[in-house]
Amino acid sequence: AQSVTQLDSQVPVFEEAPVELRCNYSSSVSVYLFWYVQYPNQGLQLLLKYLSGSTLVKGINGFEAEFNKSQTSFHLRKPSVHISDTAEYFCAVRILNQGAQKLVFGQGTRLTINP
Amino acid sequence: DTGVSQNPRHKITKRGQNVTFRCDPISEHNRLYWYRQTLGQGPEFLTYFQNEAQLEKSRLLSDRFSAERPKGSFSTLEIQRTEQGDSAMYLCASSPGQGSRETQYFGPGTRLLVL
Repeated sequence: AQSVTQLDSQVPVFEEAPVELRCNYSSSVSVYLFWYVQYPNQGLQLLLKYLSGSTLVKGINGFEAEFNKSQTSFHLRKPSVHISDTAEYFCAVRILNQGAQKLVFGQGTRLTINP
Repeated sequence: DTGVSQNPRHKITKRGQNVTFRCDPISEHNRLYWYRQTLGQGPEFLTYFQNEAQLEKSRLLSDRFSAERPKGSFSTLEIQRTEQGDSAMYLCASSPGQGSRETQYFGPGTRLLVL
């Protein structure tokens, strides 16, 4: 079965520091990869996605992620965080198999930015 | 573009009661998805529609759950004989329905509390 593991449930960082949120997946077939952000009492908003091509993907709000096929990872990074980045971040995969459309999500990482 | 809307935003009910949630997708989006998110977890796929056809259902969707999209526009999710374990955030998403590379856009969710 396919799965997504976010290795850190909580990540506290200071404002203007760099951050990396880790995501690993397992799948026997090709996947598309996504990072979503969820602010309190809101739905999920797409940060970025990897479908094909360059393994370094840039998204909104200064975030980027790198797809590493050999390590089955898709870690999210930002060089300098802001208080407004405080939120829950979810990694997700779509399995490219038999037309499946569902997303499989990780457990989420709560990013807390301290002043 | 008004985004995906969901009603109600919050619902408190007593165990054993029936509840119904509504989702209005982005205009002209052919695909509509339902996910469930419990506290501290990532969203889990429940079901998905292509126009009015329900094409995929998760094993999480027990017999007490039923989803409809009668005219290929809005969708309803009904839970019969609610149980305390049904307490969760129910998220709806939509996408254009033009392939597997597209983004799913999420609504704000309906938070259900079963007492």
